[in-house]
Amino acid sequence: DQQVKQNSPSLSVQEGRISILNCDYTNSMFDYFLWYKKYPAEGPTFLISISSIKDKNEDGRFTVFLNKSAKHLSLHIVPSQPGDSAVYFCAASGFTSGTYKYIFGTGTRLKVLA
Amino acid sequence: DAGVIQSPRHEVTEMGQEVTLRCKPISGHDYLFWYRQTMMRGLELLIYFNNNVPIDDSGMPEDRFSAKMPNASFSTLKIQPSEPRDSAVYFCASGKDRNYGYTFGSGTRLTVV
Repeated sequence: DQQVKQNSPSLSVQEGRISILNCDYTNSMFDYFLWYKKYPAEGPTFLISISSIKDKNEDGRFTVFLNKSAKHLSLHIVPSQPGDSAVYFCAASGFTSGTYKYIFGTGTRLKVLA
Repeated sequence: DAGVIQSPRHEVTEMGQEVTLRCKPISGHDYLFWYRQTMMRGLELLIYFNNNVPIDDSGMPEDRFSAKMPNASFSTLKIQPSEPRDSAVYFCASGKDRNYGYTFGSGTRLTVV
């Protein structure tokens, strides 16, 4: 049962345009959401996070939006740069089944075309 | 700060052998996580520790897997006996708070032949 889903395995965007990466979750107990970026042969790197009490968090070119009613979050990158080409993972955490759970999505590979 | 340090970077072993993966978390981080990444299942949480105590090991696939954290600066993930389906990249991560973005190591690529 995949509680955190990234339905788009890949995405290509032109340099300078907006990249939108999507993530859906099923467990309403999740109360904190994070995005990580991963380059080949490296570990994931934390990018940005959002608490369930907010609907938006912004950090430079990166903005995360949370729609709790739809159980959906998205990461916007604007403007996109070739260096943003990587695999992006969303992750969710919350108290469920008696303990805190940390669940990652399967990732979306972003390619920014120069 | 050297970050989260994992060793070895690569491990090739024969089926049936014992494999031990090592992790040194960032000093001052109270949480330590072990993840496994495969093409099919993405990043799976295997186990995490808080203050050296295992909190949730429900992701450990079978009894062949075990993890320890004898002190705040060291953790091991052991597979005994190893099987080809254990081939994956294993990541260790540490964090100050359970909801804070945590820092991953560079991973250990395990190949069981």
